Amino acid sequence: EVQLVESGGGLVQPGGSLRLSCAASGFTFSSYWMSWVRQAPGKGLEWVANIKQDGSEKYYVDSVKGRFTISRDNAKNSLYLQMNSLRAEDTAVYYCARDGTYALDAFDIWGQGTMVTVSS
Amino acid sequence: AIRMTQSPSSLSASTGDRVTITCRASQGISSYLAWYQQKPGKAPKLLIYAASTLQSGVPSRFSGSGSGTDFTLTISCLQSEDFATYYCQQYYSYPQTFGQGTKVEIK
Repeated sequence: EVQLVESGGGLVQPGGSLRLSCAASGFTFSSYWMSWVRQAPGKGLEWVANIKQDGSEKYYVDSVKGRFTISRDNAKNSLYLQMNSLRAEDTAVYYCARDGTYALDAFDIWGQGTMVTVSS
Repeated sequence: AIRMTQSPSSLSASTGDRVTITCRASQGISSYLAWYQQKPGKAPKLLIYAASTLQSGVPSRFSGSGSGTDFTLTISCLQSEDFATYYCQQYYSYPQTFGQGTKVEIK
């Protein structure tokens, strides 16, 4: 079964850090671009970042540039999001999603999401 | 960033109705448009990509059309399991952006 499972969410104070993980199974992880997409409570979807198959290219939405870092470990079939200098507006459910084999594509597989709450 | 605007923001409909949701891009995106369905507490599900291509396993009552700046998602005969929120997404350029969503509610 093709599956993405996120972990690592939780409550963190403003200015703090958190590392999210996404474990992939059921497909050849190293063949796909991968993304993080977030959804603030009661709000719509916002693409956060994506990464090329070999990790050589990474793209970010402006609001997280310089604070978040996307990475992957193809040997472990895992995607990561290191989040630093967290702000209240980063509070959201974070989903990992499978892109296609090209940089820009629809997201055909999604994880169940992990909640990140930034609050003092 | 390309702005995606959906209309309406919400609608009430009955089982069996034909429902149409529109999505407008602030600039041309060719056919690089996807539609997603999201139910409360669940992850989004891909319905349509490339503006009109049905994702595998999605019922044929869903269809998409359009190119350039104007797009449409149609549900030909609304079923009880279709009550959800629908989002369009452009993947023509970075940052990939979503519409604000259209909530389809039971009349």
